[in-house]
Amino acid sequence: QQQVKQSPQSLIVQKGGIPIINCAYENTAFDYFPWYQQFPGKGPALLIAIRPDVSEKKEGRFTISFNKSAKQFSLHIMDSQPGDSATYFCAASSDFGNEKLTFGTGTRLTIIP
Amino acid sequence: NAGVTQTPKFQVLKTGQSMTLQCAQDMNHEYMSWYRQDPGMGLRLIHYSVGAGITDQGEVPNGYNVSRSTTEDFPLRLLSAAPPQTSVYFCASRSRQVSYNSPLHFGNGTRLTVT
Repeated sequence: QQQVKQSPQSLIVQKGGIPIINCAYENTAFDYFPWYQQFPGKGPALLIAIRPDVSEKKEGRFTISFNKSAKQFSLHIMDSQPGDSATYFCAASSDFGNEKLTFGTGTRLTIIP
Repeated sequence: NAGVTQTPKFQVLKTGQSMTLQCAQDMNHEYMSWYRQDPGMGLRLIHYSVGAGITDQGEVPNGYNVSRSTTEDFPLRLLSAAPPQTSVYFCASRSRQVSYNSPLHFGNGTRLTVT
């Protein structure tokens, strides 16, 4: 049972475009929503995270939008660059700070020059 | 400062063999965990630990054992490897002092193939 559904599975965007990756969840107890970025041969690394009382969070070119009523959140990458090509995972957990992160299935993003 | 170190990087096992995946962190993190990553499945939590001597099961614990005798080390044991355990395994750690931006620190993974 996939508690966090992520789409699309893969995405190709031209340099400068704005890729958008979407995630949806069912568990209303989730209160922490991070995004992780993974390059080939490496472990995932935290990109940005949001809490449910905020509708948007920006860090540099990366923005999370959060819709609590729809139980959806998404990652937007502004002015995308070839170096942003990676796999992106959304995740969620309840009881903020615990170890039991539930990950989405991942989106392989390719930014073409 | 090495962060989270996993060994080996690659391993091939025959069905029924046993092995231990090693994980060590030098950040004095209380929390440590093991995930497996499979195509189309994302990362799934196998076992985790909130401190030395304390472990608990995650989403997919069957076929795996863990122990946490020190803060630094959190080995994952496969007692009798089976082909469905073919996967990439990631160890991760985090400080107990969390904020919304405190990350899980992941190692670079162990790619395991069971034939």
